Formats: sequence, C-alpha cells, structure tokens
Amino acid sequence: EIVMTQSPATLSVSPGERATLSCRASQSVSSNLAWYQQKPGQAPRLLIYGASTRATGIPARFSGSGSGTEFTLTISSLQSEDFAVYYCQQYNNWPTFGGGTKVEIK
Amino acid sequence: EVQLVESGGVVVQPGGSLRLSCAASGFTFDDYAMHWVRQAPGKGLEWVSLISWDGGSTYYADSVKGRFTISRDNSKNSLYLQMNSLRAEDTALYYCAKDPSTLRGYSGYPDYWGQGTLVTVSS
Repeated sequence: EIVMTQSPATLSVSPGERATLSCRASQSVSSNLAWYQQKPGQAPRLLIYGASTRATGIPARFSGSGSGTEFTLTISSLQSEDFAVYYCQQYNNWPTFGGGTKVEIK
Repeated sequence: EVQLVESGGVVVQPGGSLRLSCAASGFTFDDYAMHWVRQAPGKGLEWVSLISWDGGSTYYADSVKGRFTISRDNSKNSLYLQMNSLRAEDTALYYCAKDPSTLRGYSGYPDYWGQGTLVTVSS
C-alpha cells in the first residue's frame, strides 16, 4: 500500500495570503495524484487531477505541482470560502488518501 | 447535472449485514466505473471499492476484502455495497462516487461524490 503523508496537519493563514500544502508518497506515483477540498458537512470536491490539472469549474487560484513522491497544492490568495480540509489521493496503485491538511483562518 | 444519492445507512450490531444503495442520474451511468469511499467520524477518507462499467471487474481495500461486495444494476442506474461481518471500525459515512474515465475504463480517482449515508456498527 502506498502511504500518503500530508503536511502540515493545520495551516493558519490570513485571507488574501498564499497557502502551500504538501503531500508526500511513500513510493513514486508518477503524476497520478488528485487533490480534494472538503468543508464541514459536505462531500469532498475534486480540485486537481494528474497532479496539476484543475477540475471543471475550479478557480485559477488553485494550482498543483510535483511528480514522483513530492506534490504541492498552492492557493494563491485565500478567499473566505477556501477555509476547509484538503486531501491528496494517489491513484497510481489502489487508491489511498493522505490524512488531510486543515486550512484555518489566522 | 451529476447526482448521486446514497441510502441504506443504519445502526447495526457487530457481525451484522447491511446493503447500501446509490441512485445515479445526470450522466450515462453504464459508461463509467464507480467507487465507494468512506469516512469515519472526525477522520480522513478511505477508499473502499471500485467496480468497472459493466460490473465485470471489482476491486477492494484490504480492510474490507472478503466481507464487502460491490455490484451495480445498469438498468436501474444503481450502485450497491453489500456489507457482511460488520465491525465497529466499519462505522463511517459511506460515499458513492463516480470515476471520470471515459471509454469504459477507470482512472482511480472520483470526480463526483454523493452526500453519503451513515453506517454505525454498535451493540
């Protein structure tokens, strides 16, 4: 099983600031990496797939990068609606998710 | 608009059985593979199972293999999860989710999710 490790567990950011979230795989997953956003009481929403391709309707302030074992999700200027938990998921092998990063208001 | 509506979640005793259902609409159901993903209360996401577009191929997480069975009825646009020998650690919100891959393959990540149905395993 490929283990996905996200850091930090919690990120405190002020509105308008940049947020950088990390995700590390225990072995290479190539570019088979997705990012999701989950707000309280809601289902996850797909943000990024293929490590860097935005899903339909996702604002340009969300960007993904990386390949192999190291990946990053960047939110260029945090809006109020972006405070949520973010998960990475690899699909190079049977799907596994990271433990999540909570982005909270500073 | 893609819609996925799960049902069937209840409180069940350890060792019991349960069948979850997911009604799909807004897309050509039999063109796409489907997933079940679960989330224990206050915890992260765990992939559970995947079924191919025609039901001919099924895949499971090790934690549920041999106890859960995924199936689908394309004539009813419905996905199912039969859960047997339930344990306390199976307590979770169970999400039905669509795979985005066209050409009747699968990608391995969900693009649309339902709102989930809660399964509680407790005596």
